[in-house]
Amino acid sequence: DNQMTQSPSSLSASIGDRVTITCRASQGIRNDLGWFQQKPGKAPKRLIYAASSLQSGVPSRFSASGSGTEFTLTVSSLQPEDFATYYCLQYNTNPPTFGQGTEVEI
Amino acid sequence: QVQLQQWGAGLLKPSETLSLTCTVYGGSFSGYYWTWIRQPPGKGLEWIGEINHSGTTKYNPSLKSRVTISVDASKHQFSLRLSSVIAADTGFYFCARGRRRTPSNYGPFDIWGQGTMVTVSS
Repeated sequence: DNQMTQSPSSLSASIGDRVTITCRASQGIRNDLGWFQQKPGKAPKRLIYAASSLQSGVPSRFSASGSGTEFTLTVSSLQPEDFATYYCLQYNTNPPTFGQGTEVEI
Repeated sequence: QVQLQQWGAGLLKPSETLSLTCTVYGGSFSGYYWTWIRQPPGKGLEWIGEINHSGTTKYNPSLKSRVTISVDASKHQFSLRLSSVIAADTGFYFCARGRRRTPSNYGPFDIWGQGTMVTVSS
């Protein structure tokens, strides 16, 4: 399986902060990467697909970049509703695999 | 607007079979693969497998020996069966829209069901 490693595993931030999460793939995945946000007891919500394409309806403070093995998700100005756990996903090879998650706390 | 609604038994005993069904409302059923994903309590997400409208499946090798995903295209439904469950199978189970059947960079898992908490306990 293609292992996805996220860093950090958790972070503390304040409203208005700029936050960056990194995801590294053990094998190159071109740009076949998505980012998801999950709140407790809810299904994940896709924020980004194709490494940098913003899902329709997702605020523009979310952005992402990367290709190959190194990817980042950035929230330009953290809002109260952004406190959640974030996961990256590679869908280049089967089985699709998720990172272990990054919990963003106040 | 596409919606996924899932249901199934939430409490099982070890060795029983987990059974969940997901209905797709709206959109194209034949144009996508349909998937199951699970999440143990407090842990990350694991892809279980996928199916298309004609019944072509792929499974995660880690679960392949116990998993069956089936489809009823006439009802826009797909189902998951996981046999011989153990405590480690406890967690949330989600259905989700997978990748498009035609090549695309749109990617999978843009739409999810509400999730079902499954507990395996004697």
